[in-house]
Amino acid sequence: DTGVSQDPRHKITKRGQNVTFRCDPISEHNRLYWYRQTLGQGPEFLTYFQNEAQLEKSRLLSDRFSAERPKGSFSTLEIQRTEQGDSAMYLCASLGRRHTGELFFGEGSRLTVL
Amino acid sequence: KQEVTQIPAALSVPEGENLVLNCSFTDSAIYNLQWFRQDPGKGLTSLLLIQSSQREQTSGRLNASLDKSSGRSTLYIAASQPGDSATYLCAGKGGYNKLIFGAGTRLAVHP
Repeated sequence: DTGVSQDPRHKITKRGQNVTFRCDPISEHNRLYWYRQTLGQGPEFLTYFQNEAQLEKSRLLSDRFSAERPKGSFSTLEIQRTEQGDSAMYLCASLGRRHTGELFFGEGSRLTVL
Repeated sequence: KQEVTQIPAALSVPEGENLVLNCSFTDSAIYNLQWFRQDPGKGLTSLLLIQSSQREQTSGRLNASLDKSSGRSTLYIAASQPGDSATYLCAGKGGYNKLIFGAGTRLAVHP
């Protein structure tokens, strides 16, 4: 499978714990995006990487959230001191250099904070 | 600031009907517009991408149009089937190829 891969698919945690999600984009895609989706809503932009550089962060990304893409390949999204309001689907998408502008999304990582 | 609105929020139809899903956006300076399908608990599957210079795109029973001047896009589904039941999302692309999504239209096609 050469699509966008996300891990884990589901995470249940207690409030106050830290969680980390991983995204592996389509091979050689240099642009990577994180989105958050709550029930009944469309995805909301969180952050964007071009290669290893984080070029834009939404105001939704509080200081408890941090995203990295250290080698310009996979990316991680960490949430520290989780709160119940962090419960959502976290979606990753990627886009290549020779692109039509079409974003490809992974299956998402669903977080439930108890 | 780009805002995307989708109407209706939910739709229930009998199998075989032709459907029109509506999407409107506030900033006409979009780079392109993309339609997605999302099944419950799943990620997004890209259906159609319309570049800003294009008026429409077709894939099988799906046809999407784009009118930048009026800030509207429509997704037309011909001869709907129960397997089409899902949430359909439209998204306009602005700077950094960042997508701004609508809240989606939940479609149920019953036999």
